[in-house]
Amino acid sequence: GESVGLHLPTLSVQEGDNSIINCAYSNSASDYFIWYKQESGKGPQFIIDIRSNMDKRQGQRVTVLLNKTVKHLSLQIAATQPGDSAVYFCAENLFSGGYNKLIFGAGTRLAVHP
Amino acid sequence: DAGITQSPRHKVTETGTPVTLRCHQTENHRYMYWYRQDPGHGLRLIHYSYGVKDTDKGEVSDGYSVSRSKTEDFLLTLESATSSQTSVYFCAIGDLGQGDEQYFGPGTRLTVT
Repeated sequence: GESVGLHLPTLSVQEGDNSIINCAYSNSASDYFIWYKQESGKGPQFIIDIRSNMDKRQGQRVTVLLNKTVKHLSLQIAATQPGDSAVYFCAENLFSGGYNKLIFGAGTRLAVHP
Repeated sequence: DAGITQSPRHKVTETGTPVTLRCHQTENHRYMYWYRQDPGHGLRLIHYSYGVKDTDKGEVSDGYSVSRSKTEDFLLTLESATSSQTSVYFCAIGDLGQGDEQYFGPGTRLTVT
C-alpha cells in the first residue's frame, strides 16, 4: 500500500490501554481542527473535529482536547484496540492567501501490541 | 471512502510525459481537492474546486493543472511529469470549504522514472 512516511514518530501501546497522541499547531488564528486516521494503503479517514471556541469534544472512544494558550491539540483513544493501529494526523484551518486552507501535520504512527 | 473513487490507483510513467488523474464522487459535494502526500510533509494542497469550472490554486500548484467540467469529476493533470512529482495523490470532497471536514479517496500512487 501507499507509504505514509518512513520516519514518523511512533507511539506504542498495549491493547486495552489508553492512547494520547499530541499535536502542536502553528497559528494562533486557526479556528478549526480535525483529527484524521490513515491506515496503510488507504486515504485519511475523519475521526473528530473541534472548533476554536471549545476546549474539549468527545466521540465514541475518542476525545479531542484543545489548549489554545500553548497551541496544542491532543487525541485520546480509550481502550486502544489493534484496529486503531494507523497513522494519525491533526489538521488546522487557517484563512490565508484569500481562502481557508487546512494545514496538516506530518503524523504520528500508533502501534498497538496484544 | 465516502463515495469517492480515484483512477488509476497506481501509475508508472516517464519524465516528460503527460499524466491525468481522475477523481469521481457520488456524493454531490460542492468542493473537491487534490493533495499530494510525501514523507515528512504530510498532506499538501495542490488545487481545489468550489464548483463546476471554478478552481483555484493551493500551496504546491506549480506543474499541475485541474479541470472540473461536472460536479462529480475533478481531473488533475501533470502536463510534463518530473521525478519530483513522484508521490501519492489524494482527492478529497467537502461541502463547506476548507473550514470543515473533508472526505478522502483511496489515493493514487504515481511514480515518475
